[in-house]
Amino acid sequence: GAVVSQHPSRVICKSGTSVKIECRSLDFQATTMFWYRQFPKQSLMLMATSNEGSKATYEQGVEKDKFLINHASLTLSTLTVTSAHPEDSSFYICSAQTGGAKETQYFGPGTRLLVL
Amino acid sequence: TQLLEQSPQFLSIQEGENLTVYCNSSSVFSSLQWYRQEPGEGPVLLVTVVTGGEVKKLKRLTFQFGDARKDSSLHITAAQPGDTGLYLCAGAGGGSNYKLTFGKGTLLTVNP
Repeated sequence: GAVVSQHPSRVICKSGTSVKIECRSLDFQATTMFWYRQFPKQSLMLMATSNEGSKATYEQGVEKDKFLINHASLTLSTLTVTSAHPEDSSFYICSAQTGGAKETQYFGPGTRLLVL
Repeated sequence: TQLLEQSPQFLSIQEGENLTVYCNSSSVFSSLQWYRQEPGEGPVLLVTVVTGGEVKKLKRLTFQFGDARKDSSLHITAAQPGDTGLYLCAGAGGGSNYKLTFGKGTLLTVNP
């Protein structure tokens, strides 16, 4: 149980284009999902908290107009990197919380984004 | 702001050795999670500890939550090459704050 998927697993795009990443909870409903960014050999940096049916809460320093988050249903959250630039290249990971163990997060497999 | 200091940051040992990873904070956490992450993959939950003084075992891995719920440790006995990976501790603040505070991670390499 508590499986989270992400799509795509890898994406390469040209500078200036937008990229959408999907995060799905496969066998449970997730009222809260989180989006993280991770650089090589470093820990996870929280970007935003996504609550179903409401606006996402962004961490300090994260541009909400650049990283658009939509949590349209209890099993799906999307992160859109708008007008991507090479510095946006990173490993993006989502996580979801189950209704019971609200403090435990289950992570997706991550999406490797490379902006050329 | 809650901070979680994780040490060591890097650890390279030989197969069969024991090791301990520490996470320390001046803040109290309502729970603490340990994750293991392999390159190119998402973190996988190993354990959640909730009660001060709690000890949980997962095969050769032993997790302990400090009595004051400010620190935790992960001990691996007789490490194997398959234990290689990035180990992350993460603390939850409790209440309505479900965000996790992550340590910087411990990159473990177990050499055969």
